Amino acid sequence: QKEVEQNSGPLSVPEGAIASLNCTYSDRGSQSFFWYRQYSGKSPELIMSIYSNGDKEDGRFTAQLNKASQYVSLLIRDSQPSDSATYLCAVTRYGGSQGNLIFGKGTKLSVKP
Amino acid sequence: NAGVTQTPKFRILKIGQSMTLQCTQDMNHNYMYWYRQDPGMGLKLIYYSVGAGITDKGEVPNGYNVSRSTTEDFPLRLELAAPSQTSVYFCASSWAGSSNEQFFGPGTRLTVL
Repeated sequence: QKEVEQNSGPLSVPEGAIASLNCTYSDRGSQSFFWYRQYSGKSPELIMSIYSNGDKEDGRFTAQLNKASQYVSLLIRDSQPSDSATYLCAVTRYGGSQGNLIFGKGTKLSVKP
Repeated sequence: NAGVTQTPKFRILKIGQSMTLQCTQDMNHNYMYWYRQDPGMGLKLIYYSVGAGITDKGEVPNGYNVSRSTTEDFPLRLELAAPSQTSVYFCASSWAGSSNEQFFGPGTRLTVL
């Protein structure tokens, strides 16, 4: 069973639209959830973290967490071509050691002008 | 602050050779991590450290070794390189454990022929 699953995409949206990225995880005890953005050939950078059920907004980004459904999503409003990147979902492993942050394979987003 | 720095940026090794990937952070973070990322895949944790003198295995430690003699430095050693170790290697650091934001270095692209 895969621990963190994401649709690999590519997800293509027109400029100005809402991009919706989804992630499911298998460890019901996971406590911390992150979205990282990775441009081609670059290192990941954190864009959102969320720890409790509900929505968390930061500018054009909204993270949504539903622990009962083991589901976390990222919405990008007013998508821009500069948002074109791979988005990695990461989840802590419950009961694991401090180093255990599990990454999904990522969803590639393409925003068309 | 330079953040997390890695050297070299690129390296080609022959099968059976050894090398050390260097990682340094200047943020006084306690936790440091080594990941590998294969094409189209998420990040896999190789080793991590919770402080100077303390290291532990991650998900894919075979063929690698680490040491942490100072807070700033966390080198990754490859012994007897194999083609399966061809990958992009990222070093990361965080103030505390996996529930905290991890800051990534620029990566080292390694090819083993």
